[in-house]
Amino acid sequence: DIQMTQFPSTLSASVGDSVTITCRASESISNWLAWYQQKPGKAPNLLIYKASTLESGVPSRFSGSGSGTEFTLTISSLQPDDFATYYCQQYNSYWTFGQGTKVKIK
Amino acid sequence: EVQLLESGGGLVHPGGSLRLSCAASGFTFSSYAMTWVRQAPGKGLEWVSAFSGDGGSTYYADSVKGRFTISRDNSNNTLYLQMNSLRAEDTAVYYCARCNGDDCYFFDYWGQGTLVTVSS
Repeated sequence: DIQMTQFPSTLSASVGDSVTITCRASESISNWLAWYQQKPGKAPNLLIYKASTLESGVPSRFSGSGSGTEFTLTISSLQPDDFATYYCQQYNSYWTFGQGTKVKIK
Repeated sequence: EVQLLESGGGLVHPGGSLRLSCAASGFTFSSYAMTWVRQAPGKGLEWVSAFSGDGGSTYYADSVKGRFTISRDNSNNTLYLQMNSLRAEDTAVYYCARCNGDDCYFFDYWGQGTLVTVSS
């Protein structure tokens, strides 16, 4: 089974900051990686797929990069609506999520 | 507009059974693979099961294999999850999600979830 490790698990930042979340796969997954945003009490929302392709309607301040085993999600200029938990997900072999990164207000 | 509406959650005793339903609308249901993802209280997301759009393939997480069965009724645009031999660790919000196509890669639309509580 492919394991996904996200870090940090919690991140404190201010509006306007740029933040980066890292996701590491236990083996190469090429670029078969997605990122989701989840707010409390709500379903996850797809942000990025194929490591760097922005889902339609997602603001351009979100960007993804990486391939193989190391991936990043960057949010440039954090907005109040961006404080949430973010999950990576591999779909190279079945489907596995990272444990999540909570972005909190500093 | 794509809509997914789960139902069937509730309180069940350990060892009991429950069937979840997910009513889909706003897209050609039979053309898409569908999946179930769960989230235990205060925890992260865990993929549970998937069903290919062409009806040919089903997939299960090891944690539910042999106990849960995914099925779909394309004539009624509904996805199901039959859950048997339930355990306390199955307690979670269960989300139905649409895969991005006939084959399942990522999940582009999600329902609001239904809570399953397994407790005596």
